[in-house]
Amino acid sequence: DTAVSQTPKYLVTQMGNDKSIKCEQNLGHDTMYWYKQDSKKFLKIMFSYNNKELIINETVPNRFSPKSPDKAHLNLHINSLELGDSAVYFCACKPYWGTNKETQYFGPGTRLLVL
Amino acid sequence: GQQLNQSPQSMFIQEGEDVSMNCTSSSIFNTWLWYKQDPGEGPVLLIALYKAGELTSNGRLTAQFGITRKDSFLNISASIPSDVGIYFCAGPNYGGSQGNLIFGKGTKLSVKP
Repeated sequence: DTAVSQTPKYLVTQMGNDKSIKCEQNLGHDTMYWYKQDSKKFLKIMFSYNNKELIINETVPNRFSPKSPDKAHLNLHINSLELGDSAVYFCACKPYWGTNKETQYFGPGTRLLVL
Repeated sequence: GQQLNQSPQSMFIQEGEDVSMNCTSSSIFNTWLWYKQDPGEGPVLLIALYKAGELTSNGRLTAQFGITRKDSFLNISASIPSDVGIYFCAGPNYGGSQGNLIFGKGTKLSVKP
């Protein structure tokens, strides 16, 4: 079973549209994240949720709204898509406790292309 | 804020050669992580280091947590074509309340058969 899964893997859409990306983890971890990877492969944190509660919201436009329906899921909704939103979006998770509590596990990514 | 400086940016090597890459920071980290990203995939954890001075191996990979806690290196011995990918160092951002990871800019490894 895949530990962290994301859908869709590829998303091509027009500017101005609204789209959602879904993430599910079956590791039982408490904390989930969304990262953005730009064209230069730089990975940067967007959001962090712990037990369905938003903890980190970096300087991300409010067109991006994460939602966590339960501990195993963290979705990302994007309104009014812009060309600059084109990137790869990764979901990740980690345990809240334990010796490996800093170790994060990543999903396969969603490649978003805005035309 | 915390930053990780990773070098080299890219490497082109012959199959069978050994590879070394490193990561430095101006601030202390209590954990160092090394990830590999294959083309079209997400980062996969290779080695996690939790203690200053720790030397850990995973097959042909060896990583060390620097004594000063401000650096780490990753070595790959006897490289093979499937080692191709981007290697990232990462550490927890203590400025964030939930320890999101800060990543280096990656070392892109190309292996010539």
